[in-house]
Amino acid sequence: ETGVTQSPTHLIKTRGQQVTLRCSSQSGHNTVSWYQQALGQGPQFIFQYYREEENGRGNFPPRFSGLQFPNYSSELNVNALELDDSALYLCASSRTLLAHEQFFGPGTRLTVL
Amino acid sequence: AQRVTQPEKLLSVFKGAPVELKCNYSYSGSPELFWYVQYSRQRLQLLLRHISRESIKGFTADLNKGETSFHLKKPFAQEEDSAMYYCALSVSTNDYKLSFGAGTTVTVRA
Repeated sequence: ETGVTQSPTHLIKTRGQQVTLRCSSQSGHNTVSWYQQALGQGPQFIFQYYREEENGRGNFPPRFSGLQFPNYSSELNVNALELDDSALYLCASSRTLLAHEQFFGPGTRLTVL
Repeated sequence: AQRVTQPEKLLSVFKGAPVELKCNYSYSGSPELFWYVQYSRQRLQLLLRHISRESIKGFTADLNKGETSFHLKKPFAQEEDSAMYYCALSVSTNDYKLSFGAGTTVTVRA
């Protein structure tokens, strides 16, 4: 069983640029959640996708957007990057919307200069 | 809005000593509470869930709705328990959008 994978591992961007982060969910999982983890903080919920539809989002501006594809992989897009967007971005998949356990990927470390 | 507070950033205990990690939450309804753990160079993973009332790796956690707490306890800490522990809350059981605390780093010394 393949676990959650994320790419790239690390990324450096400059303020104002746009970035796309990718996540492959665990085999058989149709629900993906994205979290932002700033240094020294716990993960903060960005949004969740279920069967290609957004199923709620946290307190993040519209420049954070996402997609889920028919194979249930997902993308997180951030436009007009700000310095405060520097963080570890975690993707987590679960078997279905009602499944309580989330399986986390290793994360993508984004640095905005 | 819901909030999870873990008052201890760092916790250091000796092997064989009891360990307790505190977690308090604010939410007016009936949330579901979890503990997630991240061992060195590993991914964040579920440790336990309050509904299951299981003991996982010797850890237990009791949901106290009166005190809005969900403290994690283990009577005899082991060196392999050294890790980062996060308390998390979900306000819905129809989907799980987790709110995490800031985490507690536990170091178990020999």
